[in-house]
Amino acid sequence: EVQLVESGGDLVQPGGSLRLSCAASGFTFSDYYMEWVRQAPGKGLEWVARIRNKAKDYTTEYAASVKGRFTISRDNSNNLLYLQMNSLITEDTAVYFCTRDVWGTGANWGLGTLVTVS
Amino acid sequence: DVVMTQSPVSLPVTLGQPASISCWSSQSLVSTDGNTYLNWFQQRPGQSPRRLIYKVSNRDSGVPDRFSGSGSGTDFTLKISRVEAEDVAVYYCMQGSYLPVTFGGGTKVDIK
Repeated sequence: EVQLVESGGDLVQPGGSLRLSCAASGFTFSDYYMEWVRQAPGKGLEWVARIRNKAKDYTTEYAASVKGRFTISRDNSNNLLYLQMNSLITEDTAVYFCTRDVWGTGANWGLGTLVTVS
Repeated sequence: DVVMTQSPVSLPVTLGQPASISCWSSQSLVSTDGNTYLNWFQQRPGQSPRRLIYKVSNRDSGVPDRFSGSGSGTDFTLKISRVEAEDVAVYYCMQGSYLPVTFGGGTKVDIK
């Protein structure tokens, strides 16, 4: 069974940093693209970042709203996905979901972790 | 960026009756590899999103067959053949043909 478990969300001041983690299990982690998607309180879904698989050299992509401030990375030995978030602003307040790509974004989702910037 | 527009924003439905949600993209979603990466998600109250449909019309594993997706190019539809109480949720379309991935604003389905 595929499982994705996010952690690391917290209350942080504007300008601060936070690192989110996502522990993956139930599949061969390095074979898949992984992404972060966020949802501000009471709002819709917003794609944040993607990291490709081994075949694509683990290349990365970012939403314009986070480019230069956030870094997505992965530890394939320990089946972990990360999102390093720097220079946080109030607009980054959201639940952050880790997702696995199978035939596109969002085949599997975690429960999310809440980041509050205030 | 590709803009995804959904209609209606709110959809009250009668149990057992059909429901339909429309989604339009600001440009054709036919990707350079020939696939159309248009997905549909369901988000029940208090839950994470769940993908229902990928590549326009393919149901994900475990998704009831009362859900179906159709469309092409820029116009897409999610249909529920007979609404059940457990279908109360917000539904989102999403395109993955072009970066950045973009979502529609959502359609809230509830029971009349």
